Amino acid sequence: DAGVIQSPRHEVTEMGQEVTLRCKPISGHDYLFWYRQTMMRGLELLIYFNNNVPIDDSGMPEDRFSAKMPNASFSTLKIQPSEPRDSAVYFCASRPGLAGVGANVLTFGAGSRLTVL
Amino acid sequence: AQSVTQPDIHITVSEGASLELRCNYSYGATPYLFWYVQSPGQGLQLLLKYFSGDTLVQGIKGFEAEFKRSQSSFNLRKPSVHWSDAAEYFCAVGARGGSQGNLIFGKGTKLSVKP
Repeated sequence: DAGVIQSPRHEVTEMGQEVTLRCKPISGHDYLFWYRQTMMRGLELLIYFNNNVPIDDSGMPEDRFSAKMPNASFSTLKIQPSEPRDSAVYFCASRPGLAGVGANVLTFGAGSRLTVL
Repeated sequence: AQSVTQPDIHITVSEGASLELRCNYSYGATPYLFWYVQSPGQGLQLLLKYFSGDTLVQGIKGFEAEFKRSQSSFNLRKPSVHWSDAAEYFCAVGARGGSQGNLIFGKGTKLSVKP
């Protein structure tokens, strides 16, 4: 398995532009998570999905952020419009369902580093 | 509220010296416990986990951690540090049974290794 695949790895954009980050989880994993990492706040959970359904989006900072999971193999995190304070590394992670081997063990992607000028 | 505290933001050790990274958690019951490592520019990689049983767990790269219920701690140790261990280390807790889905992470401890 290729692991959790994120794209783009790096994104530089200007304030006000729309940003879309993409994630392909590990095949067979029922849970998908989006985290944001900054120096000031560390690793924050933004939202997670179970079987493509959003379960907890309480970490999404504001309405400018949205996430979708149209199928089991793809998720997007969108920021519209982007602001300089959104600059961070965004991680996607996935894990098996409750009964699976390795339950609760998250596998992370390499991250998408976003810079908003 | 559930929380994870890593009291040391940055630790520097000499190569070959022993290492202990501290982790304390606040949780309503015995959680699942994890240590992850993040190398610069990379995602987080699982080092080890505690689910149940023996409170001393072995992980990859020669790391181990000990769960101490009485102290609500899960400290990470390595007897002899290698230069390649320089990275950031994160402790995390999760609900048993995975019913809550997500993990709660500490703020991380950055490890520097002196030659």
